[in-house]
Amino acid sequence: DAGVTQSPTHLIKTRGQQVTLRCSPKSGHDTVSWYQQALGQGPQFIFQYYEEEERQRGNFPDRFSGHQFPNYSSELNVNALLLGDSALYLCASSFYQAGQTQYFGPGTRLLVL
Amino acid sequence: QQQVKQSPQSLIVQKGGIPIINCAYENTAFDYFPWYQQFPGKGPALLIAIRPDVSEKKEGRFTISFNKSAKQFSLHIMDSQPGDSATYFCAARDHSNSGYALNFGKGTSLLVTP
Repeated sequence: DAGVTQSPTHLIKTRGQQVTLRCSPKSGHDTVSWYQQALGQGPQFIFQYYEEEERQRGNFPDRFSGHQFPNYSSELNVNALLLGDSALYLCASSFYQAGQTQYFGPGTRLLVL
Repeated sequence: QQQVKQSPQSLIVQKGGIPIINCAYENTAFDYFPWYQQFPGKGPALLIAIRPDVSEKKEGRFTISFNKSAKQFSLHIMDSQPGDSATYFCAARDHSNSGYALNFGKGTSLLVTP
């Protein structure tokens, strides 16, 4: 049973560019949440997708957007990259009706120069 | 602001010791409290979780103690091993929202020495 997968594993971008990160949820899961983890900090919630809709959003600017596809996979897009966007971006999947248990992928390490 | 406060920031114990990591919260809407373990370069892995109607939960060498009135919960690691050296995060979920966002503590870096 494949766990949560994310791509790419690492990415280097320059300020002002745009980036797209991808996530495939654990088999049987229908909900995807995205988190940003700065170095030495706990993950911060960005948003959550269920039934291809954004269900909840954390305190992140509109430069951060997402999408969920019919197969439950998801993308995180970040526009106009800032140096402060450098972080580990984590995807977590869960089964919406069960509500609670979120399983994380290995993350995508983004470096903005 | 940080909705879940975690302490200590770092912890060193000898093999066989029992490290204890504490978390506190104020939001009474929190209804689910998981702990995650994270190794360098990896994503967080779920260790154990508890609901506020239970005061203690044990899974293997990991135990969560929960004090609802004090709004505090803690993780105990019995018979700690060098392989337990990692960063540990407590988290809490707010059931008043339609989603299931987790609010994380800042993490505790644990080192278990041989």
